[in-house]
Amino acid sequence: AQSVTQLGSHVSVSEGALVLLRCNYSSSVPPYLFWYVQYPNQGLQLLLKYTTGATLVKGINGFEAEFKKSETSFHLTKPSAHMSDAAEYFCAVSDQDTDKLIFGTGTRLQVFP
Amino acid sequence: GAGVSQSPRYKVTKRGQDVTLRCDPISSHATLYWYQQALGQGPEFLTYFNYEAQPDKSGLPSDRFSAERPEGSISTLTIQRTEQRDSAMYRCASRRGDGELFFGEGSRLTVL
Repeated sequence: AQSVTQLGSHVSVSEGALVLLRCNYSSSVPPYLFWYVQYPNQGLQLLLKYTTGATLVKGINGFEAEFKKSETSFHLTKPSAHMSDAAEYFCAVSDQDTDKLIFGTGTRLQVFP
Repeated sequence: GAGVSQSPRYKVTKRGQDVTLRCDPISSHATLYWYQQALGQGPEFLTYFNYEAQPDKSGLPSDRFSAERPEGSISTLTIQRTEQRDSAMYRCASRRGDGELFFGEGSRLTVL
């Protein structure tokens, strides 16, 4: 069975600092991996995804993530945090044979001025 | 439509009542998902549809939960004899051909 673990339910950074949100996955087959962002009172929005090919994936708003098979990780990073990045971030996994997307428990990012 | 639309946005009901939540997906999307998201948790898969077919309903917590999509477009999620533990945000999403899911704003259910 597939699963996703997000380390740290809350992450706080200063504006301009590096953002690192951690995600580890478990999958018996090559996974598809996703990061979604949820702003208050809004639906989830796709930030980026990895399916095949290049392991470093660039997404919207300056975010990127790197698929590391040896570490079963898909951590999300952004070099310089902006106040508008404050939101909840969800990592998710699916495989090529199912249509089911499994989400992690989420990480709430706070950005301080 | 332009996006995924869910209604009602907020529903407060008394324990034991039935509730029905509605999802209107993006019109060109064949696949539709229902998720349940408790406070402070990630979305939990409930069920999904490919057009009107329902290949997987393994995430439905009990037989009080059911979902339909009779014409392959609008879907409803019905919870019978609601319990307080059913209080959550219920999210609908439809899937584009490349696999990206588009989520509605959700229906927040509160069972008193």
